[in-house]
Amino acid sequence: EIVMTQSPATLSLSPGESATLSCRASQSVGANLAWYQQKPGQAPRLLIFGASTRASGFPDRFSGSGSGTEFTLTIRSLQSEDFAVYYCQQYNNWPPITFGPGTRLEIK
Amino acid sequence: QLRLQESGPGLVKPSETLSLTCIVSGDFIYSGAYYWAWIRQSPGKGLEWIGSVFYSGSSFSNPSLASRVTVSADTSQNQFSLTLTSVTAADTAVYYCARQGSEHTTTSFSFDFWGPGALVTVSS
Repeated sequence: EIVMTQSPATLSLSPGESATLSCRASQSVGANLAWYQQKPGQAPRLLIFGASTRASGFPDRFSGSGSGTEFTLTIRSLQSEDFAVYYCQQYNNWPPITFGPGTRLEIK
Repeated sequence: QLRLQESGPGLVKPSETLSLTCIVSGDFIYSGAYYWAWIRQSPGKGLEWIGSVFYSGSSFSNPSLASRVTVSADTSQNQFSLTLTSVTAADTAVYYCARQGSEHTTTSFSFDFWGPGALVTVSS
């Protein structure tokens, strides 16, 4: 099973700042990585797939990068609606599909 | 527009069987392009993939749950289902159904549409 880790667990930033969230896989997943955004009381929403392709409905201030075992989600110029929990997920080697524990992006 | 909606009891007794159905509208599960999946989230915790099923009936499940899980598809009703046997309090969670891509879709095996989720509590 591929274990996904994310850092930091919590990131406190102010609107207008940039956020950098990290995701690491215990073994290479190539570019078979997705990111999800989850707001309180809502289902997760696909944000990034293929490590760097933005899903529909998300602005270009969201970007994903990386391959192999190290991945980054960058959010430029944070808006109030961006504060949420972000999860990464690998789908290179499944079953099982595995998710990271999440990074909570909170308003400072 | 694609919609997924989980349906089933919100309370299950320990040692009994949890059964949920996901009703799909706006797409056909027999289209053959997608898997249909179940994912759960324990209160205040992260996401755990439970299992996925293809319209043909072939399915995959999380090895950590495999002995208790069945994921099945009903193309005539355009819905798919989850059965989890011998539940304990550790199975208390919000259960989500989701559409999962495949090797034939641009989103690959990520989950591109989710239902709103259904809270299932295991308690006597």
